[in-house]
Amino acid sequence: SQELEQSPQSLIVQEGKNLTINCTSSKTLYGLYWYKQKYGEGLIFLMMLQKGGEEKSHEKITAKLDEKKQQSSLHITASQPSHAGIYLCGADYSSASKIIFGSGTRLSIRP
Amino acid sequence: KAGVTQTPRYLIKTRGQQVTLSCSPISGHRSVSWYQQTPGQGLQFLFEYFSETQRNKGNFPGRFSGRQFSNSRSEMNVSTLELGDSALYLCASSNARTSGGETQYFGPGTRLLVL
Repeated sequence: SQELEQSPQSLIVQEGKNLTINCTSSKTLYGLYWYKQKYGEGLIFLMMLQKGGEEKSHEKITAKLDEKKQQSSLHITASQPSHAGIYLCGADYSSASKIIFGSGTRLSIRP
Repeated sequence: KAGVTQTPRYLIKTRGQQVTLSCSPISGHRSVSWYQQTPGQGLQFLFEYFSETQRNKGNFPGRFSGRQFSNSRSEMNVSTLELGDSALYLCASSNARTSGGETQYFGPGTRLLVL
């Protein structure tokens, strides 16, 4: 979706290194979701952010929503092979249970 | 709690046929949304049902339709299949009573191949 830009499209990272994925919206977000998808499978919910400046962490994954609620970043610390997959950000623009998804970031972890 | 389940997981159809996909939401969830995922278009919203009523709809042709039953289970139907309908169809359920703001939990998807 052009409303939501996700970068980079793909990322290859050495195991143990940190990485960041960005998601930028063309308009103010009501909520921002991060999901992970293994190829051809369903989406696994990671985190949801709603408040400007909000930051949430789960294990080695941290997501932030900027103050203006138009940009979010997902940061993985000390990456592991289990982190490999496709990361998708999804925007809720207050349009009623309809998530607009970014194009995804394909993450590969090099041993 | 059991997660969102979808049946069948894989399906092969030919052009012109119709297909029905099923989704059982997480127990207690009354909102079910459907999405289509293709390599070219990514993940796109089809429609959402809440309490047996379609509450939201994406930009898909009328060949795509759905319904929801009193137990919140939902079905999606695609009539007159086209090659471009080949995709992974995902459904998601949430506890949303009012629109928006509730986490959507996704099922494993149904992979449809149209020949």
